[in-house]
Amino acid sequence: AQSVAQPEDQVNVAEGNPLTVKCTYSVSGNPYLFWYVQYPNRGLQFLLKYITGDNLVKGSYGFEAEFNKSQTSFHLKKPSALVSDSALYFCAVRDYYSGNTPLVFGKGTRLSVIA
Amino acid sequence: DAGVIQSPRHEVTEMGQEVTLRCKPISGHNSLFWYRQTMMRGLELLIYFNNNVPIDDSGMPEDRFSAKMPNASFSTLKIQPSEPRDSAVYFCASSSTSGGVDTQYFGPGTRLTVL
Repeated sequence: AQSVAQPEDQVNVAEGNPLTVKCTYSVSGNPYLFWYVQYPNRGLQFLLKYITGDNLVKGSYGFEAEFNKSQTSFHLKKPSALVSDSALYFCAVRDYYSGNTPLVFGKGTRLSVIA
Repeated sequence: DAGVIQSPRHEVTEMGQEVTLRCKPISGHNSLFWYRQTMMRGLELLIYFNNNVPIDDSGMPEDRFSAKMPNASFSTLKIQPSEPRDSAVYFCASSSTSGGVDTQYFGPGTRLTVL
């Protein structure tokens, strides 16, 4: 079975500081990993994904994520947070061997960037 | 590309009434997903289709819920009769399995309120 854990319901960071939103996963094979962001009253918006290759993946709006196979983690990072980054962030996973099946989403982490 | 289109954006109805939510996936996408989002339960997968065929409807709460995809460009989610506990935001997402790993793209959602 596939699963994703986002251990923090809420992350607070000051504007200009680096931010990290944590995600750990469990799959039986190789993972495909995704990050989505949801702004208030909007749908989920794709940020970035890891398929294979370089463990550091760069995405939209200056976000990046680092795949760590030994720690089964895929943490989302940004060097300098903006107030406009305040939103709900979802990590998602799918097993490479599961074929064309839906992504499994975490419960989400609410990021609040304080000016 | 217009993205995933959902209608209506907001729906307010009374308990017992029939509700129909509509979704137009991104052109060329062959997978379609219906999700429900609530504060209590987070993001839940209700049903998904591949090539217009329902693959897994185990997330549909009960027989009051039904979904159809008569063609590649249109899907409906129907609730009959509706109940107050059905109040939620319903998202439709689509993806394409051609050309590699499928990224799901979400619509803006339909906010349903059942009084």
